[in-house]
Amino acid sequence: AQTVTQSQPEMSVQEAETVTLSCTYDTSESDYYLFWYKQPPSRQMILVIRQEAYKQQNATENRFSVNFQKAAKSFSLKISDSQLGDAAMYFCAYLLIQGAQKLVFGQGTRLTINP
Amino acid sequence: DAGVIQSPRHEVTEMGQEVTLRCKPISGHDYLFWYRQTMMRGLELLIYFNNNVPIDDSGMPEDRFSAKMPNASFSTLKIQPSEPRDSAVYFCASCRANTGELFFGEGSRLTVL
Repeated sequence: AQTVTQSQPEMSVQEAETVTLSCTYDTSESDYYLFWYKQPPSRQMILVIRQEAYKQQNATENRFSVNFQKAAKSFSLKISDSQLGDAAMYFCAYLLIQGAQKLVFGQGTRLTINP
Repeated sequence: DAGVIQSPRHEVTEMGQEVTLRCKPISGHDYLFWYRQTMMRGLELLIYFNNNVPIDDSGMPEDRFSAKMPNASFSTLKIQPSEPRDSAVYFCASCRANTGELFFGEGSRLTVL
């Protein structure tokens, strides 16, 4: 079974600084998606960034970028120029491209932004 | 598009009562998911549907839980009878096949006293 592990329950960063959230996963499949979702206090789950496993290039979305290491099964999220609005729970997630459409989540990392 | 719509946003009920949570997925999405979020267990997939058919309900905790999707635009998650340990936020999400992007509703916070 696929598993996703986020080893950092909490992280904090100074406003305008850069922070990296870690995620590792376990799978025997070769074709899958990886995601980072953000859950602010409003509790709405918001997709931050998506990576297709067959793409070598790391995905980027404005201040958000990932470091995808397929062999190491690692998928970290880097947030540059942190803003107060980035404070939230961040969840790493895995989804097979074909077959069971079950999004598997990590335990989450609570990110605090210090002004 | 209005997004995934869930109701109610909040529900407070007493132990033993029946609870029904509702979800309207995004039009055109052929997958619908029910997740439960608690502090202890995080996000758990309860059940998901493809084209209104339940595909995997292995995450449904007990027979007290049931879910239906009578048509492409509506799903319910029912708990009968409810217990205090069912207190959680229940999310509904939908997506198109193989797009890899789930759209979540705002969740229903259930408190069972």
